[in-house]
Amino acid sequence: NAGVTQTPKFQVLKTGQSMTLQCAQDMNHEYMSWYRQDPGMGLRLIHYSVGAGITDQGEVPNGYNVSRSTTEDFPLRLLSAAPSQTSVYFCASSLRGGKSSYEQYFGPGTRLTVT
Amino acid sequence: DQQVKQNSPSLSVQEGRISILNCDYTNSMFDYFLWYKKYPAEGPTFLISISSIKDKNEDGRFTVFLNKSAKHLSLHIVPSQPGDSAVYFCAASGAGGTSYGKLTFGQGTILTVHP
Repeated sequence: NAGVTQTPKFQVLKTGQSMTLQCAQDMNHEYMSWYRQDPGMGLRLIHYSVGAGITDQGEVPNGYNVSRSTTEDFPLRLLSAAPSQTSVYFCASSLRGGKSSYEQYFGPGTRLTVT
Repeated sequence: DQQVKQNSPSLSVQEGRISILNCDYTNSMFDYFLWYKKYPAEGPTFLISISSIKDKNEDGRFTVFLNKSAKHLSLHIVPSQPGDSAVYFCAASGAGGTSYGKLTFGQGTILTVHP
């Protein structure tokens, strides 16, 4: 199993550009989430999904869009990049229901810089 | 408003001694708590967890203690090893239903274990 994979590893964008961060998992996990990590802030939840076709907002959803057409993939779209979106982005997945849903598996992250 | 707080940004201990990492939370609806470990350029990995119905959970060298009345949890690592040097994040989640798959993280504590 590859686990949770994210592409790209690094990205530099100019203000106003759009892009999609890719996330895929091969563990047949129903739950998938996107977090961003900023210095001194820990990880903050952006969007999450409890299954294909179902998504919801987390703590910091503004400026981001998600969709979940398959169990495996959960892309994160930046609609119009801003310097405040400079961060490290992590995708995570977990099984559905009970204790297993809390124990999330994380991808290696995408480091995004917006100039 | 930080609902999960790790007030010590860093901790330095000698190999073989005990490492104690602390975490405080404010939301009384949290009922499941986890510790994640993160190495540079990697995603966080799950370490140990505890349900609010318990006050202690042990897994090898790692023990998590929960004091619900004080809204405080701690992670003990005994004995500490140089390979334990990493960033440790405390995380919390609410009870079931729509809380599944949604974690609130602390800011992280950098642990350095010296040989």
